[in-house]
Amino acid sequence: AQSVTQLGSHVSVSEGALVLLRCNYSSSVPPYLFWYVQYPNQGLQLLLKYTSAATLVKGINGFEAEFKKSETSFHLTKPSAHMSDAAEYFCAVRDTGFQKLVFGTGTRLLVSP
Amino acid sequence: IAGITQAPTSQILAAGRRMTLRCTQDMRHNAMYWYRQDLGLGLRLIHYSNTAGTTGKGEVPDGYSVSRANTDDFPLTLASAVPSQTSVYFCASSEGTGRSPLHFGNGTRLTVT
Repeated sequence: AQSVTQLGSHVSVSEGALVLLRCNYSSSVPPYLFWYVQYPNQGLQLLLKYTSAATLVKGINGFEAEFKKSETSFHLTKPSAHMSDAAEYFCAVRDTGFQKLVFGTGTRLLVSP
Repeated sequence: IAGITQAPTSQILAAGRRMTLRCTQDMRHNAMYWYRQDLGLGLRLIHYSNTAGTTGKGEVPDGYSVSRANTDDFPLTLASAVPSQTSVYFCASSEGTGRSPLHFGNGTRLTVT
């Protein structure tokens, strides 16, 4: 069965520092992978997605993620954090032959001045 | 603006009462989903519909029912609410292919007392 593990329920960075949010997946077939962001009292917004094209995927707001099959990872990065990046981030996986999207438990990103 | 509309935004409900959460999309997406979000558990799939006229059970379907009479609407009903159903409920839709992302509504915050 497909699953996602997000390491660290909270990550704290200083403004201008590198952001790294970790995601490891489990899937028996090549997966589709997604990162979503959730701001307070809002729904989830798509940041980026991997659908078996380029392994380095660029998303909105300066975020990117790299699909590494050998490590079963899809970590999210941003070179320089901004205060507005403070939010909760969810990694999600869907098997290519399966319709349902399975989410990780989320990582809350805290950005300090 | 195209998207998903959920109603109500929030609700306090007495245990044992019946409640229907409404969800409407105007993107003509084939697939629709209901998730619940709980602290530390991420998003868990309650029910889904791959196309109008069909529904399926997700990870946590007990105590909930859905219908999909047309493409646009996907109501979620709690027949007899219990306190463990206190949660934030998100409706989502997608084109229905494996690579297509989910689009989310802004959620309904439900408290069962």
